[in-house]
Amino acid sequence: NAGVTQTPKFQVLKTGQSMTLQCAQDMNHNSMYWYRQDPGMGLRLIYYSASEGTTDKGEVPNGYNVSRLNKREFSLRLESAAPSQTSVYFCASQYDIYGYTFGSGTRLTVV
Amino acid sequence: KQEVTQIPAALSVPEGENLVLNCSFTDSAIYNLQWFRQDPGKGLTSLLLIQSSQREQTSGRLNASLDKSSGRSTLYIAASQPGDSATYLCAVTDYGQNFVFGPGTRLSVLP
Repeated sequence: NAGVTQTPKFQVLKTGQSMTLQCAQDMNHNSMYWYRQDPGMGLRLIYYSASEGTTDKGEVPNGYNVSRLNKREFSLRLESAAPSQTSVYFCASQYDIYGYTFGSGTRLTVV
Repeated sequence: KQEVTQIPAALSVPEGENLVLNCSFTDSAIYNLQWFRQDPGKGLTSLLLIQSSQREQTSGRLNASLDKSSGRSTLYIAASQPGDSATYLCAVTDYGQNFVFGPGTRLSVLP
């Protein structure tokens, strides 16, 4: 099925552990995004990639790194997880004027 | 800085009612506006996309309007059903192609 695929769906980390959230899209979209969603705060942009090989910071980039491996894949890495990074993470892709397509999310808990 | 607000934060209506959800944004220089639906524990599903040059879009029982000059959009849902229960988010895109989301309106349609 065409769309945005995120893995894993759920993850529990201990403070200080690292992990990478994976995202892949098969719609040949140029732009890809990582958001976090917290209660009462809506979705906030962490990083985005306008095209293969480019990445830019969003509103809340601290504590995260990203890699645009190729046109399909955009990964988000937490080098040293903190409880403040407990959230639901969404990946999205965009093609010009046609708006966003979202993945189903990764629910991350840092204890 | 673009800010998006949504009123009301939560809404409960009996089945069959028509209802309106409101979205306001502070900067009228937008590229497009998109309405999403989010079911509990799920990702976002795009409902309607309105380009900045358009006034409204319709899909089935849903109608979204856009008034750029006043910084407002409304989502009209006709003949509401229990299956419409979800959180509805609006998001605006500026010409840098960055999306800013509202906090959402949580809708409950009671049988």
